[in-house]
Amino acid sequence: GAGVSQSPRYKVAKRGQDVALRCDPISGHVSLFWYQQALGQGPEFLTYFQNEAQLDKSGLPSDRFFAERPEGSVSTLKIQRTQQEDSAVYLCASSLLWDGQETQYFGPGTRLLVL
Amino acid sequence: AQSVTQLGSHVSVSEGALVLLRCNYSSSVPPYLFWYVQYPNQGLQLLLKYTSAATLVKGINGFEAEFKKSETSFHLTKPSAHMSDAAEYFCAVSDRDGANNLFFGTGTRLTVIP
Repeated sequence: GAGVSQSPRYKVAKRGQDVALRCDPISGHVSLFWYQQALGQGPEFLTYFQNEAQLDKSGLPSDRFFAERPEGSVSTLKIQRTQQEDSAVYLCASSLLWDGQETQYFGPGTRLLVL
Repeated sequence: AQSVTQLGSHVSVSEGALVLLRCNYSSSVPPYLFWYVQYPNQGLQLLLKYTSAATLVKGINGFEAEFKKSETSFHLTKPSAHMSDAAEYFCAVSDRDGANNLFFGTGTRLTVIP
């Protein structure tokens, strides 16, 4: 079956531009996560959705970062007024219903470069 | 709070040799532990996970890991390395209190020498 897909795969933005990153989770998966992976680092949690409800956004680094999942399926991560420190790979993951041990399935990521 | 430490950011082994990737965790409650593999330009793929059943967990591609509570460790092993095992490996932890995410280590890059 289809896995988690993300688009675009690569994005180059000029400093100050707004960007939108899309995630299509596995069909039927209730839980959806966004992670940020800086070069040479492990993924770091940004935010978590259960269906359309954003239950945790404690990892979002600033108010320039905004995520939504309006119909409980596709999610969009938006970064406003991008800065160079936003350059990273943004990973989306989904799982059936997160309980701490359910497997998270990851997409290929969107590599964002801010110039 | 949960965290994991992966000792050795780079590990090199000869083809056919034992693979040992180290992971130590810190958790205030009994943890769930995971190993993921990341190939270049691909997402993370689950190798195996520990959820408090057997302490020796077998995963895909011949990998296994043993949960040792006394050592707070969850090291990943494979008896014989293949060239196709070259990748980045991440250890991760979550907990039974319902933390809303995985906490990842910084990763270990495995190189397999022919």
